[in-house]
Amino acid sequence: EPEVTQTPSHQVTQMGQEVILRCVPISNHLYFYWYRQILGQKVEFLVSFYNNEISEKSEIFDDQFSVERPDGSNFTLKIRSTKLEDSAMYFCASSEVNTGELFFGEGSRLTVL
Amino acid sequence: SQQGEEDPQALSIQEGENATMNCSYKTSINNLQWYRQNSGRGLVHLILIRSNEREKHSGRLRVTLDTSKKSSSLLITASRAADTASYFCAPQGSSNTGKLIFGQGTTLQVKP
Repeated sequence: EPEVTQTPSHQVTQMGQEVILRCVPISNHLYFYWYRQILGQKVEFLVSFYNNEISEKSEIFDDQFSVERPDGSNFTLKIRSTKLEDSAMYFCASSEVNTGELFFGEGSRLTVL
Repeated sequence: SQQGEEDPQALSIQEGENATMNCSYKTSINNLQWYRQNSGRGLVHLILIRSNEREKHSGRLRVTLDTSKKSSSLLITASRAADTASYFCAPQGSSNTGKLIFGQGTTLQVKP
């Protein structure tokens, strides 16, 4: 069964460092998303991406964040200068259509020291 | 934006019992989806019910939708310890981005 894959599964970084989280969505999907979940809190929407551009973003998704689909298969989330409060689990998701189910990856745990 | 509110926040039952979780939302929807999250894992889609449907079944899951009351329920029959997880409803409107907004969920504990 096709699945969304994310790497790395866990990354530890120093505050102020840049981090890139990678996702490989399901191949025929057209809509891509990033979510984050701070420990013990709810899953929060960050950004949606369609047709090679951001279609919607939340207030959390400030100038420190960017997304890219560099090669038609990968979908990346970059955090330019990490802060302690960026420590969270980051989930990538994809969907075939904009009115259907989202398929989530297993997440990348980011720990900022 | 659409967000469902699940009730109760926590539910603890014995294996074999049924578990019912409720969801309320505020605006018109295209569909409503239910997801499960095991601790520390990604969300898994369980079932999608469209706005013109009233009930849907999938294995031990039964979902109902009442658009007049803007509410949905998820019933898990004959629960198992493996059903222990958090459950989220996600109403999906006509937004062309396809995003879903998740609430706090219902944390279900099934005791063996």
